[in-house]
Amino acid sequence: DAKTTQPPSMDCAEGRAANLPCNHSTISGNEYVYWYRQIHSQGPQYIIHGLKNNETNEMASLIITEDRKSSTLILPHATLRDTAVYYCIVRVEYIINSGYALNFGKGTSLLVTP
Amino acid sequence: GAVVSQHPSRVICKSGTSVKIECRSLDFQATTMFWYRQFPKQSLMLMATSNEGSKATYEQGVEKDKFLINHASLTLSTLTVTSAHPEDSSFYICSARDQGRSSYGYTFGSGTRLTVV
Repeated sequence: DAKTTQPPSMDCAEGRAANLPCNHSTISGNEYVYWYRQIHSQGPQYIIHGLKNNETNEMASLIITEDRKSSTLILPHATLRDTAVYYCIVRVEYIINSGYALNFGKGTSLLVTP
Repeated sequence: GAVVSQHPSRVICKSGTSVKIECRSLDFQATTMFWYRQFPKQSLMLMATSNEGSKATYEQGVEKDKFLINHASLTLSTLTVTSAHPEDSSFYICSARDQGRSSYGYTFGSGTRLTVV
């Protein structure tokens, strides 16, 4: 799996958009970008994933650059409950074989302030 | 959908005793489940991959005789910490993936906080 680089921490004011960057310059053509978050003392929660097109769901938007070497997770209107560690993970999508675990880096600790 | 239930959420045990943690996939079958450990202010570290009906695969440095994994059915994997010591105190998290719903990615349990006294 390609290596990812994320800032260790970020702050965001409540109600504003939180833009979390991730660098994955060594990503290969068949690797997806996954985002998970972990609220304190809970298990990680899936947010979104994508290959090359931008993606949006009820939680967030994922913007992937054209060269796919970086991406940004956008929480459009951050709330206090979005305070968590956000992990960007790059890996091949194993549709049939689910025998490969996700490997977590250090992530970005996002603090949403009132 | 794609819910993983982990039990107990927290446990305190005495040194030398064993503790069992259960991980269940509630609405899907999981031939493979994963066990992680997380120390304070650190990221999740994969301990082992649990395979239904066969032996688990352990990551380097994880003692298989200390962390016993049993995956006897398609919906249940258990992790037993044997002869626990204070250094085993950690947050243990299991994970599985619903192969039929790849859009959900991997689903994680809520974790088990183990404190060995």
